[in-house]
Amino acid sequence: EPEVTQTPSHQVTQMGQEVILRCVPISNHLYFYWYRQILGQKVEFLVSFYNNEISEKSEIFDDQFSVERPDGSNFTLKIRSTKLEDSAMYFCASSEQGTGELFFGEGSRLTVL
Amino acid sequence: DAKTTQPPSMDCAEGRAANLPCNHSTISGNEYVYWYRQIHSQGPQYIIHGLKNNETNEMASLIITEDRKSSTLILPHATLRDTAVYYCIVRVAGGAGSYQLTFGKGTKLSVIP
Repeated sequence: EPEVTQTPSHQVTQMGQEVILRCVPISNHLYFYWYRQILGQKVEFLVSFYNNEISEKSEIFDDQFSVERPDGSNFTLKIRSTKLEDSAMYFCASSEQGTGELFFGEGSRLTVL
Repeated sequence: DAKTTQPPSMDCAEGRAANLPCNHSTISGNEYVYWYRQIHSQGPQYIIHGLKNNETNEMASLIITEDRKSSTLILPHATLRDTAVYYCIVRVAGGAGSYQLTFGKGTKLSVIP
């Protein structure tokens, strides 16, 4: 069964460092998303991406965040200068259409020290 | 998107049906009801969605009341692997609407041997 894959599974970084989280969405999907979940809290929407541009972003997705689809398979989330409060599980998701049926990856746990 | 209300937790005996309720009294005519679940800290998993009619797939059944103000997710024969947090989400299906899914706190279902 096709799945969304994410790397790394866990990354530890120092505050102020740049981090890139990588995702390989399901191959025929056209819509891509990043969500995050701070430990013990709700899953929060960050950004959606379609047709090589951001479709929608939340207030969390400020100038420190960026997304890119550098080639036909990868979808990346970059955090330019990490803060302690960026520590969370980051989930990538994709969907075939712009419906609510999303396929999520297993997540990348980011720990900022 | 309409707000949903779910009980914070429920228990279910293994092998019995688990019935998870959700209230969405402010749902709009073009909003669908989606159910996801999150097992431990894994990525959310899509279960089922519906608009007006009851729906069934290999995982679950979704019963939506005639006035659409509430719904019930039914896991017909709960197993220990169904222990998870279950999220009821309402949103527009797609197109020009918002792409984001708004996750609440969900219902923590514990399946007991």
